[in-house]
Amino acid sequence: DIQMTQSPSTLSASVGDRVTITCRASQSVSTWLAWYQQKPGKAPKLLIYKTSSLKSGVPSRFSGSGSGTEFTLTISSLQPDDFATYYCQQFNNRPWTFGQGTKVEV
Amino acid sequence: EVQLVESGGGLVKPGGSLRLSCAASGFTFTSYSMNWVRQAPGKALEWVSYITSGSTYRYYADSVRGRFSISRDNAKNSVYLQMNSLRAEDTAVYYCARDASDNGFFDYWGQGTLVTVSS
Repeated sequence: DIQMTQSPSTLSASVGDRVTITCRASQSVSTWLAWYQQKPGKAPKLLIYKTSSLKSGVPSRFSGSGSGTEFTLTISSLQPDDFATYYCQQFNNRPWTFGQGTKVEV
Repeated sequence: EVQLVESGGGLVKPGGSLRLSCAASGFTFTSYSMNWVRQAPGKALEWVSYITSGSTYRYYADSVRGRFSISRDNAKNSVYLQMNSLRAEDTAVYYCARDASDNGFFDYWGQGTLVTVSS
């Protein structure tokens, strides 16, 4: 199975900050990577798919980049609604696997 | 509006069985593969199972293969997860998730249903 490792596990930030989360795969997943946002007690929501494609309706302050084994999710200017946990997920090989999550907190 | 509504969770003893249901609406159900994804309390997401639109292919995580079975009824716009031989480590919120154009990522999720395995 492909292992996905996110860093950091927790990130402290303020409104307006530029935030970057890293996701590393144990082997190449090409660009078959997605990012999700999850708030406490709620289902995850898709933000980005195929590394850098923004899901319709997702604010443009979210962006993704990378390829192979290293990927980043960037929030250009953190907003109050963005405090949440973020997960990366590879869909290059089954079983689809997720990172352990990065919690963005105040 | 796409909606996925899970039901069937609850408290079950180790070794017991449970059947989860997911009712879909707001899209052409027969055009999409579907998945179950779970999340143990305070833990990360874990993909559990997948079924193609016509039920031709079904895949399972190693952790549930042989104990869980996924199925769907396209006439009822529903997908199911039959869970047998349940273990404490199966305790989690189970989410139904639509597969985005059969690509392997999940563009819509239900609200989840909690399964607790405990004596």
